[in-house]
Order: sequence, then structure tokens, then C-alpha cells
Amino acid sequence: GAVVSQHPSRVICKSGTSVKIECRSLDFQATTMFWYRQFPKQSLMLMATSNEGSKATYEQGVEKDKFLINHASLTLSTLTVTSAHPEDSSFYICSFGKGSSTDTQYFGPGTRLTVL
Amino acid sequence: KNEVEQSPQNLTAQEGEFITINCSYSVGISALHWLQQHPGGGIVSLFMLSSGKKKHGRLIATINIQEKHSSLHITASHPRDSAVYICAVRGGGSNYKLTFGKGTLLTVNP
Repeated sequence: GAVVSQHPSRVICKSGTSVKIECRSLDFQATTMFWYRQFPKQSLMLMATSNEGSKATYEQGVEKDKFLINHASLTLSTLTVTSAHPEDSSFYICSFGKGSSTDTQYFGPGTRLTVL
Repeated sequence: KNEVEQSPQNLTAQEGEFITINCSYSVGISALHWLQQHPGGGIVSLFMLSSGKKKHGRLIATINIQEKHSSLHITASHPRDSAVYICAVRGGGSNYKLTFGKGTLLTVNP
């Protein structure tokens, strides 16, 4: 399967700062990107979907001005958490897909964000 | 009620035992995924299936579309199989979104 990397794997920041998380597909060109968030002992929750060449579509309850997504290329997507607050502390996971409902998704290893 | 229900929530087994994890869903789907999440958090996609049965090594996944039910089986379980197993379903048509179950924590003791 495809290899997806995320950077950083772990980040601790102060409240009010912004954090950028990178997601790269190392051997796969993806037309669709997904960003998920997972709180402790909870299911993964989809935050947003972005298709190459268009703006991200955010799920209900996810603030697009707070969670900035840039699908820079077919192999790179970034999620920036702006003005982070302690309640943003979570595990953030990206995945790539080819945009077909019959294709699998390839998940990154995740980034654990802790906001102090 | 969650659209995707997994059972059991927690499962402890002895090495060598046959393991079954169940997933039921309430919506029409185009595909179902079984994922494995290790304690560090990284997720590995084990299977994607839309009908029938798939096998990979000691892992077997089945799905019954009419009954809206899928099972993940692990034969000859091993401590390294200890992880959270997550069922996720993808909606039909052009809806690529995955809806996730809460996961089953499997612990295999030596």
C-alpha cells in the first residue's frame, strides 16, 4: 500500500500559537485528502475533505478559519491549527485517497497535539 | 445511536485463540474498511471490502450486505495482534466520507 508520512509526530505548544501539520504521500498521487481528529477513547471524526484544485469542504462544527487546510499538491497537504487552545489538544490524522468510492484510503501515522 | 456499532468493545484472548470482532451498520454503504490502530496511534488499513470475503495471512474479513454486518477474524492470535481494530464504512454514490466505529481493543496475552 501507499506510504503516508506526517510531520511532526508530536507537538506541544502554548495556547494562542499556531501549529502546522504536514501530510505527505511518498509514492502515491492523491486527488482527495482527508483530515481526521481523534479525542481520547473516541472514534476518528472527519474534519474536512479536500480535492486537488479546489477548497476544502469542512464538516459541520469544524471552524474553517481555525483549521486551515492547504492541499498544495497531489502529494502534500497541510493543516494549520490557528490560535490553538487546550481543547484543540487531540490526535490529528490525515489520509489520502484517489477520490473513488471504491478505492481505499491510506492513513498517515498521526500527529499528537498538546496545547498548554 | 451510532451508525457503526462494533462488538465487543474490549476483548482479551490467550495466544493462539481464534478471534472474532463484529461490526454492524445502519446505512447504505459502498465499502467497509477494517483498520488497525496500535498504541502509538498510527492507523493501518487491513481490508476494504464491499462483498464476500477477503483473506490476508491470519486475518479474514467477511461482509453480508443484506444483513449490514461484517466480521474480522484473526486465526492463531499472537500478542503482536494487540491493538484497536476499527470498522469504518463509506457511504454510497459520490460520498467518500468514512464513518467510524468506536473500535475494539484487543489484548492477546502470551
